[in-house]
Amino acid sequence: RKEVEQDPGPFNVPEGATVAFNCTYSNSASQSFFWYRQDCRKEPKLLMSVYSSGNEDGRFTAQLNRASQYISLLIRDSKLSDSATYLCVVNGAGGTSYGKLTFGQGTILTVHP
Amino acid sequence: SQTIHQWPATLVQPVGSPLSLECTVEGTSNPNLYWYRQAAGRGLQLLFYSVGIGQISSEVPQNLSASRPQDRQFILSSKKLLLSDSGFYLCAWSPTGEKLFFGSGTQLSVL
Repeated sequence: RKEVEQDPGPFNVPEGATVAFNCTYSNSASQSFFWYRQDCRKEPKLLMSVYSSGNEDGRFTAQLNRASQYISLLIRDSKLSDSATYLCVVNGAGGTSYGKLTFGQGTILTVHP
Repeated sequence: SQTIHQWPATLVQPVGSPLSLECTVEGTSNPNLYWYRQAAGRGLQLLFYSVGIGQISSEVPQNLSASRPQDRQFILSSKKLLLSDSGFYLCAWSPTGEKLFFGSGTQLSVL
């Protein structure tokens, strides 16, 4: 089983749609969780952290389910500019290195007019 | 504010040639520094990380090495490049080992 696993997609949605991505992680001792966004041929950028109680940032909502070991990202009212690859990131998934963040393969989102 | 610089942006090298990619961070001291590689269609793979000058940890056996000669400088090197070394190389820093902030990346093509 991969340490961090995501559905690679692609997800193709119209503007205004709501779309959700899930991510599972294998190490139950993982400490912190993030979603990053990566545009084509660019560096990943932190989108939001994921807190145990769930958190929201504008149109974006992140949730963590420790019992089932998955993280989700919900995007409401999709914009064309949301088209990107969304990376699920887990800290401590490998359980061996200080500050080791493990990245999922990413989920590709395309928002069309 | 903190900034991270990585260069060059693009590099084309023949097989067997040496490699040196440099990364520097400004506006902070004693950052954790990282080198990642992203092969086409694949996720980010951690290559090296450093928690201080001269302290390098390697995550996977490979044809590459890293050095940290100064607090805010991180260098990725190879003596002889292989075709399989092609990819998108990303330097990153973190104040705490949690959130990562990436440089703009180097697209390396080994021919």
